[in-house]
Amino acid sequence: DSGVTQTPKHLITATGQRVTLRCSPRSGDLSVYWYQQSLDQGLQFLIQYYNGEERAKGNILERFSAQQFPDLHSELNLSSLELGDSALYFCASRDSAGGGYTFGSGTRLTVV
Amino acid sequence: EDQVTQSPEALRLQEGESSSLNCSYTVSGLRGLFWYRQDPGKGPEFLFTLYSAGEEKEKERLKATLTKKESFLHITAPKPEDSATYLCAVRAKGGGADGLTFGKGTHLIIQP
Repeated sequence: DSGVTQTPKHLITATGQRVTLRCSPRSGDLSVYWYQQSLDQGLQFLIQYYNGEERAKGNILERFSAQQFPDLHSELNLSSLELGDSALYFCASRDSAGGGYTFGSGTRLTVV
Repeated sequence: EDQVTQSPEALRLQEGESSSLNCSYTVSGLRGLFWYRQDPGKGPEFLFTLYSAGEEKEKERLKATLTKKESFLHITAPKPEDSATYLCAVRAKGGGADGLTFGKGTHLIIQP
């Protein structure tokens, strides 16, 4: 157990639907990062939050959004889902001292 | 734009047969090069962080080295349990964002 908790582990939904992925960072970590991993693209950085505020955006689609709550957990919202959104979605956290990035076990999203 | 290229894409070795994985990178200013191990369907597991050319780190049968343009992950006398995908990532200078840019990984298979 890495200390980063992601739920659900698996999600199957239809095209056009909206889903929410949840991440709880390691205790004390203020930064949360979301990544998408597909077979052809590898791990792609989506978005970063630090202590409740958006810090940076990577290759995140406009249909996707995220937020970080006062208790530091984060949610990634994916809407108007397309078949190509099927992927593994990972959350990572990092401590304020600038240590390593710790990844959760991911959510496997399948859009049918 | 930061770029990370890993080679080979796949590598099959016999148990005990040592080899090296390559990670070439192009960044505006390196703030860290990271190696991760990923098992199928799991989140990346942190192995090493390297910060400056000439730096080396070791863990069991793995040794990571860094130059100004590339990093190597040396695997000595590997065992079947070393089979996994090995990912290289960089963290670059500039701005407030510190998401990682990943390569596509090397899929390593160690045959008994």
